[in-house]
Amino acid sequence: LAKTTQPISMDSYEGQEVNITCSHNNIATNDYITWYQQFPSQGPRFIIQGYKTKVTNEVASLFIPADRKSSTLSLPRVSLSDTAVYYCLVGDKYSGAGSYQLTFGKGTKLSVIP
Amino acid sequence: DTEVTQTPKHLVMGMTNKKSLKCEQHMGHRAMYWYKQKAKKPPELMFVYSYEKLSINESVPSRFSPECPNSSLLNLHLHALQPEDSALYLCASSQALKWGQGSPGYTFGSGTRLTVV
Repeated sequence: LAKTTQPISMDSYEGQEVNITCSHNNIATNDYITWYQQFPSQGPRFIIQGYKTKVTNEVASLFIPADRKSSTLSLPRVSLSDTAVYYCLVGDKYSGAGSYQLTFGKGTKLSVIP
Repeated sequence: DTEVTQTPKHLVMGMTNKKSLKCEQHMGHRAMYWYKQKAKKPPELMFVYSYEKLSINESVPSRFSPECPNSSLLNLHLHALQPEDSALYLCASSQALKWGQGSPGYTFGSGTRLTVV
């Protein structure tokens, strides 16, 4: 699985746009890039997934350059409730019969300041 | 229903107790997973079930015993645990996709906070 590197932590003021970049230099051709959000004492929540270029949903945007060696999660106008750990995952290991293993890196702890 | 429900939310058990964690989903997902998460660490995979059969056991000690009685339920039986087993235990499910079909998004439950005393 491709190794990912993210900032350990980030601070942002409410209302600002936050961009979290993930580096994944050895991404494989078939690998998707997926981001999860985790609040304390809750399970991770799927935010967004992409393969190339740009993906946008109601929560976030994901920007992937042509070489796919990095990706950027963009959260528009964050609020205090966006304070969480954000995990970038690249690829997932097929474990047979339709199941996939996720390997989480250390994640980025985002703190939104009033 | 788009949720994975885990019970109980909190559990305190002694080292000689036997207890079970329960996970339920009604999304028709045929792949289900147990993850363990220690404080300030990322989740780590324990077990993978696919079509009710155990496909992956990540060298988990035998004091943890998974069970998948049907396509909607996943249990984790606990016996003779150690204090270092205290953690958040997360259940997840995903669609069963063939290799090469892309990456299925997981749906995680809120977890069971386990404390072993």
